[in-house]
Amino acid sequence: AQSVTQLDSQVPVFEEAPVELRCNYSSSVSVYLFWYVQYPNQGLQLLLKYLSGSTLVKGINGFEAEFNKSQTSFHLRKPSVHISDTAEYFCAVVKTSYDKVIFGPGTSLSVIP
Amino acid sequence: DTAVSQTPKYLVTQMGNDKSIKCEQNLGHDTMYWYKQDSKKFLKIMFSYNNKELIINETVPNRFSPKSPDKAHLNLHINSLELGDSAVYFCASSPQNGELFFGEGSRLTVL
Repeated sequence: AQSVTQLDSQVPVFEEAPVELRCNYSSSVSVYLFWYVQYPNQGLQLLLKYLSGSTLVKGINGFEAEFNKSQTSFHLRKPSVHISDTAEYFCAVVKTSYDKVIFGPGTSLSVIP
Repeated sequence: DTAVSQTPKYLVTQMGNDKSIKCEQNLGHDTMYWYKQDSKKFLKIMFSYNNKELIINETVPNRFSPKSPDKAHLNLHINSLELGDSAVYFCASSPQNGELFFGEGSRLTVL
């Protein structure tokens, strides 16, 4: 069965600083990978996804992530964060044969003015 | 035009009561889900339907009964509510590549 680890439960960062949110997964089969963002009192929305092709994936709001198969990682990065990026970020994985989507425990990003 | 809509957004009820949450999607997706988000923000899949057929049931107590009258609707009925059922319940739909489109959530508080 797949599983997802997000090692950092909380990440405080100053405005305009870079940030990296870490995600590692375990799976014995090929997977698709996703990052979702949840703003306070809202549903989740897709930031970016890796299905195939280039391992560097660009998403909305200036975020990008790199799929590293050997390290089974899919870390999310942004070169300069804004106050509006304060939110909960979830990494998710699903088998390419299609199965249930498994979410990591989430990372709370707080951007400090 | 909301893609995945859930009603109601808030429910406050007493232990032992029965409640329902409705979900509708206008994206034309075949697959719909119910997820439960607890107070620590952890998201756990509960059910998945593909074209009105139940395909995932994640050892959820049988007090929870999903119903899909057609592929655009997935409702969740909960009997005999318990304190531990307090959570935010999210409906989602998917075009079957794993990408999920979420509703705004329904916050259930059991007193």
